[in-house]
Amino acid sequence: GAGVSQSPSNKVTEKGKDVELRCDPISGHTALYWYRQSLGQGLEFLIYFQGNSAPDKSGLPSDRFSAERTGGSVSTLTIQRTQQEDSAVYLCASSSNNSPLHFGNGTRLTVT
Amino acid sequence: AQSVTQLGSHVSVSEGALVLLRCNYSSSVPPYLFWYVQYPNQGLQLLLKYTSAATLVKGINGFEAEFKKSETSFHLTKPSAHMSDAAEYFCAVSDGAAGNKLTFGGGTRVLVKP
Repeated sequence: GAGVSQSPSNKVTEKGKDVELRCDPISGHTALYWYRQSLGQGLEFLIYFQGNSAPDKSGLPSDRFSAERTGGSVSTLTIQRTQQEDSAVYLCASSSNNSPLHFGNGTRLTVT
Repeated sequence: AQSVTQLGSHVSVSEGALVLLRCNYSSSVPPYLFWYVQYPNQGLQLLLKYTSAATLVKGINGFEAEFKKSETSFHLTKPSAHMSDAAEYFCAVSDGAAGNKLTFGGGTRVLVKP
């Protein structure tokens, strides 16, 4: 079937605006992850959803960042009042029991 | 806490030559180790994984990696580089077999010269 799908693939926004990034995981995958890839910081874990459990938000860099996962499938990562340092590629991944992570192609966010 | 160090942010090899990418890890529990490859404008693709079975792990595209506990290393090799191997490679560690909450190294970009 289809892989992890992320939209939009590119997003340019003005500083101070809110943005929403979407992730459609592989069908049947119970776990969903968000990572951020930026120059100088490498790949950073942001948040992890597993089934109906409370998400692991330990990687979110500030309270401007939030994410939800509706119906155990699609996830939205929201960044409020964007700052220039939020510019990065945001990667989503999903997995099922005992399977490695499958990554989407990412959303490249540019904050001007 | 877990961490990964990849020696060399850039590696240049000639086509047909050995590819060697170095990865050292730190983990307080028996680690699960992974190598991912990222081609331009794409997500990460799993090359191979170590999950406490055989210490020599074979992956896709002719790559393999050897887990050496005494050296806390998991270096990635390929005997003969191909032009299509030009990409960025990431070593990662987790404490669960499924790879949840991966901690990544900084990545090594491979350039293959004809």
